Amino acid sequence: QSVLTQPPSVSGAPGQRVTISCTGSSSNIGAGYDVHWYQQLPGTAPKPLIFGNTNRPSGVPDRFSASKSGTSASLAITGLQAEDEADYYCQSYDTSLSGYVVFGGGTKLAVL
Amino acid sequence: QVQLVQSGAEVKKPGSSVKVSCTASGGTFSSYGISWVRQAPGQGLEWMGEFNPVLRASNNAQKFQGRVTITADKSTTTVYMELRSLRSEDTAVYYCATEGRLMNFEIWGQGTLVTVSS
Repeated sequence: QSVLTQPPSVSGAPGQRVTISCTGSSSNIGAGYDVHWYQQLPGTAPKPLIFGNTNRPSGVPDRFSASKSGTSASLAITGLQAEDEADYYCQSYDTSLSGYVVFGGGTKLAVL
Repeated sequence: QVQLVQSGAEVKKPGSSVKVSCTASGGTFSSYGISWVRQAPGQGLEWMGEFNPVLRASNNAQKFQGRVTITADKSTTTVYMELRSLRSEDTAVYYCATEGRLMNFEIWGQGTLVTVSS
Protein backbone atom coordinates (compact mmCIF):
# COMPACT_ATOMS: atom_id res chain seq x y z
CA GLN A 1 0.00 0.00 0.00
CA SER A 2 0.97 3.62 -0.49
CA VAL A 3 2.79 5.71 2.11
CA LEU A 4 0.20 8.47 1.64
CA THR A 5 -3.43 7.40 2.03
CA GLN A 6 -6.17 8.68 -0.25
CA PRO A 7 -9.79 7.53 -0.57
CA PRO A 8 -10.12 5.23 -3.61
CA SER A 9 -13.03 7.19 -5.00
CA VAL A 10 -15.16 10.28 -4.52
CA SER A 11 -18.09 11.56 -6.50
CA GLY A 12 -20.19 14.65 -6.92
CA ALA A 13 -22.80 16.22 -9.15
CA PRO A 14 -21.96 19.03 -11.56
CA GLY A 15 -21.61 22.32 -9.72
CA GLN A 16 -20.95 20.70 -6.36
CA ARG A 17 -17.83 20.81 -4.20
CA VAL A 18 -15.75 17.74 -3.45
CA THR A 19 -12.67 17.21 -1.34
CA ILE A 20 -9.95 14.56 -1.54
CA SER A 21 -7.87 13.82 1.52
CA CYS A 22 -4.25 12.75 1.68
CA THR A 23 -3.10 11.34 4.99
CA GLY A 24 0.54 10.87 5.81
CA SER A 25 2.70 10.62 8.92
CA SER A 26 5.45 12.29 10.91
CA SER A 27 8.06 11.18 8.38
CA ASN A 28 6.48 12.97 5.43
CA ILE A 29 3.66 15.54 5.58
CA GLY A 30 3.93 15.85 9.35
CA ALA A 31 7.66 16.57 9.06
CA GLY A 32 6.84 19.72 7.13
CA TYR A 33 7.47 18.49 3.61
CA ASP A 34 5.40 20.06 0.87
CA VAL A 35 2.44 18.32 -0.69
CA HIS A 36 1.76 18.44 -4.42
CA TRP A 37 -1.29 17.30 -6.38
CA TYR A 38 -1.67 15.91 -9.90
CA GLN A 39 -4.64 15.24 -12.15
CA GLN A 40 -4.49 12.29 -14.53
CA LEU A 41 -7.01 11.89 -17.30
CA PRO A 42 -7.40 8.40 -18.79
CA GLY A 43 -4.50 7.44 -21.01
CA THR A 44 -2.50 10.58 -20.36
CA ALA A 45 0.46 11.65 -18.24
CA PRO A 46 -0.22 13.27 -14.87
CA LYS A 47 -0.70 17.02 -14.96
CA PRO A 48 0.48 19.30 -12.14
CA LEU A 49 -2.50 20.76 -10.29
CA ILE A 50 -1.10 22.16 -7.04
CA PHE A 51 2.50 22.57 -5.88
CA GLY A 52 3.93 23.64 -2.57
CA ASN A 53 0.73 22.79 -0.66
CA THR A 54 -1.43 25.60 -2.00
CA ASN A 55 -0.04 27.00 -5.26
CA ARG A 56 -1.67 26.59 -8.67
CA PRO A 57 0.52 26.44 -11.79
CA SER A 58 -0.37 28.86 -14.52
CA GLY A 59 -3.49 27.75 -16.35
CA VAL A 60 -5.06 25.73 -13.54
CA PRO A 61 -8.53 27.14 -12.74
CA ASP A 62 -9.09 28.63 -9.30
CA ARG A 63 -11.84 26.03 -8.81
CA PHE A 64 -8.95 23.87 -7.59
CA SER A 65 -7.49 24.64 -4.18
CA ALA A 66 -5.59 22.74 -1.52
CA SER A 67 -4.55 22.94 2.09
CA LYS A 68 -2.27 21.18 4.51
CA SER A 69 -2.47 20.69 8.26
CA GLY A 70 -0.51 18.41 10.53
CA THR A 71 0.00 15.06 8.87
CA SER A 72 -2.70 15.56 6.23
CA ALA A 73 -3.51 17.55 3.15
CA SER A 74 -6.68 18.11 1.19
CA LEU A 75 -7.62 19.02 -2.37
CA ALA A 76 -10.89 20.82 -2.98
CA ILE A 77 -12.69 21.18 -6.29
CA THR A 78 -15.61 23.59 -6.48
CA GLY A 79 -18.10 24.06 -9.30
CA LEU A 80 -17.56 20.47 -10.39
CA GLN A 81 -17.50 19.94 -14.16
CA ALA A 82 -17.69 16.81 -16.27
CA GLU A 83 -14.11 17.41 -17.44
CA ASP A 84 -12.88 17.08 -13.85
CA GLU A 85 -13.57 13.34 -13.96
CA ALA A 86 -10.07 11.92 -13.53
CA ASP A 87 -7.64 10.34 -11.09
CA TYR A 88 -6.01 12.62 -8.53
CA TYR A 89 -2.72 11.93 -6.75
CA CYS A 90 -0.98 13.62 -3.85
CA GLN A 91 2.81 13.53 -3.54
CA SER A 92 5.32 14.43 -0.87
CA TYR A 93 8.78 13.53 0.43
CA ASP A 94 9.46 10.87 3.04
CA THR A 95 12.50 10.57 5.28
CA SER A 96 11.83 7.09 6.59
CA LEU A 97 12.82 5.57 3.26
CA SER A 98 16.19 7.32 3.04
CA GLY A 99 14.69 10.42 1.51
CA TYR A 100 12.28 9.27 -1.18
CA VAL A 101 9.45 10.74 -3.12
CA VAL A 102 6.12 9.19 -2.17
CA PHE A 103 2.69 9.26 -3.80
CA GLY A 104 -0.80 8.60 -2.56
CA GLY A 105 -2.63 5.66 -4.04
CA GLY A 106 -4.82 7.93 -6.12
CA THR A 107 -8.49 8.91 -5.98
CA LYS A 108 -10.89 8.43 -8.85
CA LEU A 109 -13.33 11.33 -9.12
CA ALA A 110 -16.66 10.55 -10.72
CA VAL A 111 -18.88 13.42 -11.85
CA LEU A 112 -22.41 12.08 -11.63
CA GLN B 1 9.57 25.72 -22.61
CA VAL B 2 11.20 22.32 -22.40
CA GLN B 3 9.14 19.36 -23.55
CA LEU B 4 10.07 15.77 -22.72
CA VAL B 5 9.93 13.17 -25.48
CA GLN B 6 10.32 9.53 -24.51
CA SER B 7 11.30 6.51 -26.57
CA GLY B 8 8.72 4.10 -27.91
CA ALA B 9 6.97 1.09 -26.42
CA GLU B 10 8.99 -2.03 -25.66
CA VAL B 11 8.18 -5.71 -25.25
CA LYS B 12 10.72 -7.66 -23.22
CA LYS B 13 11.26 -11.19 -21.97
CA PRO B 14 11.50 -11.91 -18.25
CA GLY B 15 15.09 -11.63 -17.06
CA SER B 16 16.10 -9.17 -19.76
CA SER B 17 16.75 -5.43 -19.51
CA VAL B 18 15.11 -2.34 -20.94
CA LYS B 19 16.52 1.15 -21.46
CA VAL B 20 14.08 4.01 -21.87
CA SER B 21 15.17 7.44 -23.01
CA CYS B 22 13.81 10.89 -22.22
CA THR B 23 14.92 13.75 -24.48
CA ALA B 24 14.53 17.45 -23.83
CA SER B 25 12.97 19.23 -26.76
CA GLY B 26 13.48 22.97 -26.80
CA GLY B 27 16.16 23.02 -24.14
CA THR B 28 18.36 20.92 -21.91
CA PHE B 29 18.11 19.40 -18.46
CA SER B 30 21.02 21.50 -17.24
CA SER B 31 18.94 23.20 -14.56
CA TYR B 32 16.41 20.45 -13.86
CA GLY B 33 16.59 17.21 -11.97
CA ILE B 34 14.84 14.40 -13.82
CA SER B 35 12.84 11.72 -12.08
CA TRP B 36 11.38 8.47 -13.36
CA VAL B 37 7.91 7.45 -12.23
CA ARG B 38 6.12 4.29 -13.26
CA GLN B 39 2.48 3.23 -13.31
CA ALA B 40 1.44 -0.40 -13.55
CA PRO B 41 -1.86 -1.12 -15.33
CA GLY B 42 -4.75 0.17 -13.23
CA GLN B 43 -2.39 1.15 -10.43
CA GLY B 44 -1.00 4.34 -8.92
CA LEU B 45 2.22 6.26 -9.43
CA GLU B 46 5.54 4.96 -8.10
CA TRP B 47 8.77 6.95 -7.94
CA MET B 48 11.83 5.03 -9.11
CA GLY B 49 14.71 7.47 -8.92
CA GLU B 50 16.23 10.67 -10.20
CA PHE B 51 19.20 12.15 -12.04
CA ASN B 52 20.81 15.36 -10.82
CA PRO B 53 22.40 17.10 -13.82
CA VAL B 54 24.47 19.46 -11.67
CA LEU B 55 26.07 16.66 -9.66
CA ARG B 56 25.73 14.23 -12.56
CA ALA B 57 24.63 11.64 -10.05
CA SER B 58 21.54 9.50 -9.54
CA ASN B 59 19.50 8.54 -6.51
CA ASN B 60 17.22 5.51 -6.62
CA ALA B 61 14.31 4.37 -4.51
CA GLN B 62 15.30 1.58 -2.17
CA LYS B 63 12.91 -0.81 -3.90
CA PHE B 64 14.88 -0.54 -7.14
CA GLN B 65 18.42 -0.46 -5.71
CA GLY B 66 20.67 -2.70 -7.77
CA ARG B 67 18.17 -3.04 -10.59
CA VAL B 68 17.83 0.44 -12.01
CA THR B 69 20.44 2.79 -13.45
CA ILE B 70 19.64 6.37 -14.41
CA THR B 71 22.17 8.21 -16.57
CA ALA B 72 22.40 11.14 -18.95
CA ASP B 73 24.40 11.96 -22.04
CA LYS B 74 27.19 14.53 -21.81
CA SER B 75 25.11 17.29 -23.33
CA THR B 76 22.35 16.58 -20.79
CA THR B 77 19.67 16.57 -23.41
CA THR B 78 18.77 12.92 -22.92
CA VAL B 79 18.31 10.98 -19.70
CA TYR B 80 18.13 7.18 -19.67
CA MET B 81 16.53 4.73 -17.29
CA GLU B 82 17.70 1.13 -17.48
CA LEU B 83 15.82 -1.55 -15.56
CA ARG B 84 17.39 -5.01 -15.34
CA SER B 85 16.19 -8.49 -14.42
CA LEU B 86 12.72 -7.69 -15.68
CA ARG B 87 9.73 -9.58 -14.33
CA SER B 88 6.06 -9.49 -15.23
CA GLU B 89 5.38 -7.06 -12.39
CA ASP B 90 7.54 -4.49 -14.17
CA THR B 91 4.93 -4.17 -16.90
CA ALA B 92 3.99 -0.51 -16.65
CA VAL B 93 4.03 2.89 -18.26
CA TYR B 94 7.28 4.64 -17.40
CA TYR B 95 7.30 8.45 -17.21
CA CYS B 96 10.15 10.92 -16.92
CA ALA B 97 9.45 14.29 -15.31
CA THR B 98 11.36 17.45 -14.49
CA GLU B 99 11.74 18.35 -10.84
CA GLY B 100 10.78 21.71 -9.43
CA ARG B 101 12.65 23.28 -6.51
CA LEU B 102 10.06 21.85 -4.09
CA MET B 103 10.62 18.32 -5.42
CA ASN B 104 7.39 18.60 -7.35
CA PHE B 105 7.14 17.33 -10.90
CA GLU B 106 6.55 20.10 -13.40
CA ILE B 107 6.89 18.73 -16.93
CA TRP B 108 6.08 15.12 -17.81
CA GLY B 109 7.03 12.99 -20.77
CA GLN B 110 4.32 11.21 -22.70
CA GLY B 111 5.11 7.85 -21.11
CA THR B 112 6.62 4.62 -22.43
CA LEU B 113 4.80 1.32 -22.12
CA VAL B 114 7.09 -1.56 -21.20
CA THR B 115 5.50 -4.98 -21.41
CA VAL B 116 7.29 -7.93 -19.85
CA SER B 117 5.99 -11.21 -21.17
CA SER B 118 7.34 -14.59 -22.11
